[in-house]
This record gives sequence, C-alpha cells and structure tokens, in this order.
Amino acid sequence: GAVVSQHPSWVICKSGTSVKIECRSLDFQATTMFWYRQFPKQSLMLMATSNEGSKATYEQGVEKDKFLINHASLTLSTLTVTSAHPEDSSFYICSAPRTGDFYEQYFGPGTRLTVT
Amino acid sequence: GQNIDQPTEMTATEGAIVQINCTYQTSGFNGLFWYQQHAGEAPTFLSYNVLDGLEEKGRFSSFLSRSKGYSYLLLKELQMKDSASYLCAVGDSNYQLIWGAGTKLIIKP
Repeated sequence: GAVVSQHPSWVICKSGTSVKIECRSLDFQATTMFWYRQFPKQSLMLMATSNEGSKATYEQGVEKDKFLINHASLTLSTLTVTSAHPEDSSFYICSAPRTGDFYEQYFGPGTRLTVT
Repeated sequence: GQNIDQPTEMTATEGAIVQINCTYQTSGFNGLFWYQQHAGEAPTFLSYNVLDGLEEKGRFSSFLSRSKGYSYLLLKELQMKDSASYLCAVGDSNYQLIWGAGTKLIIKP
C-alpha cells in the first residue's frame, strides 16, 4: 500500500518558538494533502487542505498566520506552527489521497507536539 | 449541518462478534469509510462503502444504507489486538472527510 511519512515523530519545544512538520508521500504523487489535529480522546479535526502549487484552504477557526502550510511539490507538504503555545500541544496527522483517487486516504504516522 | 454519530465506547469479549453503528447527515455523499486507530497512532483504513449493501473483508465487514444514512462495522472472532478506536467518516460533496468522534472498543478476555 501507499506510504506517507511524517517528520518528526515527536517534538518538544519552548513556548514562543516555531516548529515545522513535514509530510511526504513516498511512493505516489499527492496534489492534495490534509492536515489534522487530534486532542486526547477526541476525533480528528481537519485543520486545512494543502494544495500543490497554490494556497492552502483553512477550516473555520484555524489561524492561517499561525499554522503555515506549504505544498511545494507533489510529494511534500509542510506545516509550521509559529509562536507555539502550550495549547498547541497535540497530535498532528497528515493524510493524502493518491492523485486521481480520492477514495482511500493514506495517513502519516503522526507528529506529537508538546509545547512547554 | 453535518453530523456523524457513533457510540462513544463499547465492550466485547474475545472471540465474540461486535457491531459498531454509525449514522450520518452530510451535505453530499461520496462514500463512507471506516478506520481503525490504536492509541497514539494514526488511523489505518479498514473499508469503504459507496453502494448499499455489505462488504466483507476477512473478519471485518461493513454495511451501508444510504436511504437511512446508516452504516455499521461488524467485527468477528474478536482478538485482543482489535482493542482500538473505530472511526466512521463520510466523504462530502467537496471530497473532504467528515469524521465521527470514534468508538473506543474494549476487548475483554
């Protein structure tokens, strides 16, 4: 099956710093990638849709300037959490459907962010 | 609005059968997905239904009734490793996934 990787798997940072999370599709091209956030014991919450070569589409309530998304190639999308605060501590997961095939999304392993 | 409902938690016995229900109301419908998620891990794909009926895949089966806005995931011959959260998700008219809150399944020996 298709593989999506995320880096890093976990990160601890100090309040006020920025953290970049990478999402890569390893064996297929993804014009679209999705970024989710998941708090403990809660379901996935879609943050934004990342589109290759264009601006990301953010869900209502998600701050564009705080969560910067760049999708510069067909295999890489990055999420940068700027000026992180403890409330940004969460599990961040990306997913990608194969280009031309929406029906199955492949999830990355997730990145656990802890802001101290 | 968009709404997906599934039970918060279920308990079953090893070797038994369990059915996890999901009801949905969404703007558009492009299929219903079931994912399994173990604690601290990303979801993994289990099944996809776009037509009414039952799809069987090994110990897991998924059923869909579009007219009723209803689906269920059936797990047979339960194993301890099946303890996980099971997420129901619907593809809406924009091809985004609308997620249910998940059902935590606890398997007891």
